[in-house]
Amino acid sequence: AQTVTQSQPEMSVQEAETVTLSCTYDTSESDYYLFWYKQPPSRQMILVIRQEAYKQQNATENRFSVNFQKAAKSFSLKISDSQLGDAAMYFCAYESQGAQKLVFGQGTRLTINP
Amino acid sequence: DVKVTQSSRYLVKRTGEKVFLECVQDMDHENMFWYRQDPGLGLRLIYFSYDVKMKEKGDIPEGYSVSREKKERFSLILESASTNQTSMYLCASSSYRGFGGDTIYFGEGSWLTVV
Repeated sequence: AQTVTQSQPEMSVQEAETVTLSCTYDTSESDYYLFWYKQPPSRQMILVIRQEAYKQQNATENRFSVNFQKAAKSFSLKISDSQLGDAAMYFCAYESQGAQKLVFGQGTRLTINP
Repeated sequence: DVKVTQSSRYLVKRTGEKVFLECVQDMDHENMFWYRQDPGLGLRLIYFSYDVKMKEKGDIPEGYSVSREKKERFSLILESASTNQTSMYLCASSSYRGFGGDTIYFGEGSWLTVV
């Protein structure tokens, strides 16, 4: 079974700075999807960014980008120009191709200091 | 916008009670999910449904059952609530395109306390 590990329970960053959240996963599959989801306090979890394993190019969505290292099974999230609204729990997730369901990591709570 | 609505945000139930958590989605999604979220453990899949009346066990199905009589509605049932089921429960839905990678949409969560 696949597992996802987020080794940083909590992170903090100064507003406008850059922060990187770490995620590693364990799988024997070659085709899969990786995701970062954001859960703001008392609000719904939303998708931040998605990466297809067959794509070598790292995904980017505005201030959010990933560093996908397939051989190392690493999938980190970089948030540039951090904003107060970025404060949330961030979850890394894995989906086997065609599985239709996600395996989540433990989560990282990100605090933004003004 | 996709909306996944969980009918109860906060519930307090007694040990041994039968508990129903209801979830409705308005995007005609084929897939629906129930996850449990606990600090330090992340989200763990309880049950998954890919069609009406179809269900599949997730990683932690013990003590739970589900019902999907209509496409838009997916209910989680705790047959006899126990204190170790105190948790936040998240419902989610997604469309089915065969190869995966679709966005999963979540509800706001139901905080259940069993006393």
